[in-house]
Amino acid sequence: DQQVKQNSPSLSVQEGRISILNCDYTNSMFDYFLWYKKYPAEGPTFLISISSIKDKNEDGRFTVFLNKSAKHLSLHIVPSQPGDSAVYFCAASSLTGNQFYFGTGTSLTVIP
Amino acid sequence: DVKVTQSSRYLVKRTGEKVFLECVQDMDHENMFWYRQDPGLGLRLIYFSYDVKMKEKGDIPEGYSVSREKKERFSLILESASTNQTSMYLCASSPPSGTEAFFGQGTRLTVV
Repeated sequence: DQQVKQNSPSLSVQEGRISILNCDYTNSMFDYFLWYKKYPAEGPTFLISISSIKDKNEDGRFTVFLNKSAKHLSLHIVPSQPGDSAVYFCAASSLTGNQFYFGTGTSLTVIP
Repeated sequence: DVKVTQSSRYLVKRTGEKVFLECVQDMDHENMFWYRQDPGLGLRLIYFSYDVKMKEKGDIPEGYSVSREKKERFSLILESASTNQTSMYLCASSPPSGTEAFFGQGTRLTVV
């Protein structure tokens, strides 16, 4: 059973606008959440993360929001750039565990 | 610069062959993982290891085995390759804290 879900397989956004990628999880034991970016034929690269003790973390153009009560997190990219076009994976882990649980990914296309 | 290195970027193998995928990390991480990525299915965990000679099955271990004789090296073995094992294979490592997984560049395996 998928414990981390990304319900939007794809998203298209105009350059300069905001991209919002969503992620839901089911396991309340998760206490750390990560976003990865993946280009074709390359491995995923870490983008940004958030601990469950926070509700927001910001790094430049990227902000992750966490709503624990709704078991929902989102990644905001502002402003979106063509180089942001990639597949984005949401992941969750327990700091006392060994595993990372990944969503199915959202393919973002930023249109120039 | 931290690194996870997979031995091949592209591989083509015949049905029934025994296939070895090698992964080496230079970060002295305890945890290592093998995932496969398929369109629409995201990253699915095949096996992981939290110590030398220790292994745990992930979500899709059937048809695969692993070996971890040294801390820095984690091998994925396809005992008898089949066409449904054509996929992108991704190796990752992480410290025990579960705060970030570092990925290799991926191996695109085609079984014909």
